[in-house]
Amino acid sequence: GQNIDQPTEMTATEGAIVQINCTYQTSGFNGLFWYQQHAGEAPTFLSYNVLDGLEEKGRFSSFLSRSKGYSYLLLKELQMKDSASYLCAVTHHGDSSYKLIFGSGTRLLVRP
Amino acid sequence: DAGITQSPRHKVTETGTPVTLRCHQTENHRYMYWYRQDPGHGLRLIHYSYGVKDTDKGEVSDGYSVSRSKTEDFLLTLESATSSQTSVYFCAISESEGNNEQFFGPGTRLTVL
Repeated sequence: GQNIDQPTEMTATEGAIVQINCTYQTSGFNGLFWYQQHAGEAPTFLSYNVLDGLEEKGRFSSFLSRSKGYSYLLLKELQMKDSASYLCAVTHHGDSSYKLIFGSGTRLLVRP
Repeated sequence: DAGITQSPRHKVTETGTPVTLRCHQTENHRYMYWYRQDPGHGLRLIHYSYGVKDTDKGEVSDGYSVSRSKTEDFLLTLESATSSQTSVYFCAISESEGNNEQFFGPGTRLTVL
C-alpha cells in the first residue's frame, strides 16, 4: 500500500525559516509534489521533484531523497500570507495509470 | 490560472437524494479528476477520466459515479447521498499523467443532512 506522513501542525515566526518534512512508503514511485492550500481555497502547485536533490524557487525550496523516502519543503523569510496548509503528494504508478496520493497536510501558522 | 470551474459551490441536501456536481474546464486538458477532502484524510481520489467516455475508479469510489461526454465537462453523481459523503469536493485537471501538475477547481462544499 501507500503511506505518506507529514506533521499535522507547525508554528513559526514572521521572517524566520521553516522546514516541513514528508516521508512516504509507496510502490511505483514516480515523483513528489508540494501544494499550498489556504483555508477555504483550492490547492495550488508549489514544486515537483523527481530526482534526488534540492529544487529552489524563490523563497521556497523542495528536497527529495528517493532512497530514504523523504522530502522536505523549506520556506524562507516567512510572511504572514504563508499561513496555509502544505500538502505533500507522491505520484504512484500502478496498473497502467499514474495517480497522486496525498498526505493529510501540514497546517502552518506564521506569527508576527 | 487554469480555467476550471465547479458548480454548485455549495449544496445542502437530504440523505437518499441524488446529487450531481459539475466540473467545467476551458484548457482542453485530457485528464480530469474528482477528489474529496476531509479533515485528517487529506485529498482522496474518487474517480478520474483519461478522455471522453474513458473513466476509472480511485480509492474511494463506492457510492459515486462519473460521466464525461465532452472534453470540457466531468460530472460526479452521488446516486443516493449519505451523511458520510458530507465533504468538500475538488475537481482537478492535467495535460498528462505522471509528472504533470494538477490544477484544482475552487471546490464544492456538500452537506448531506
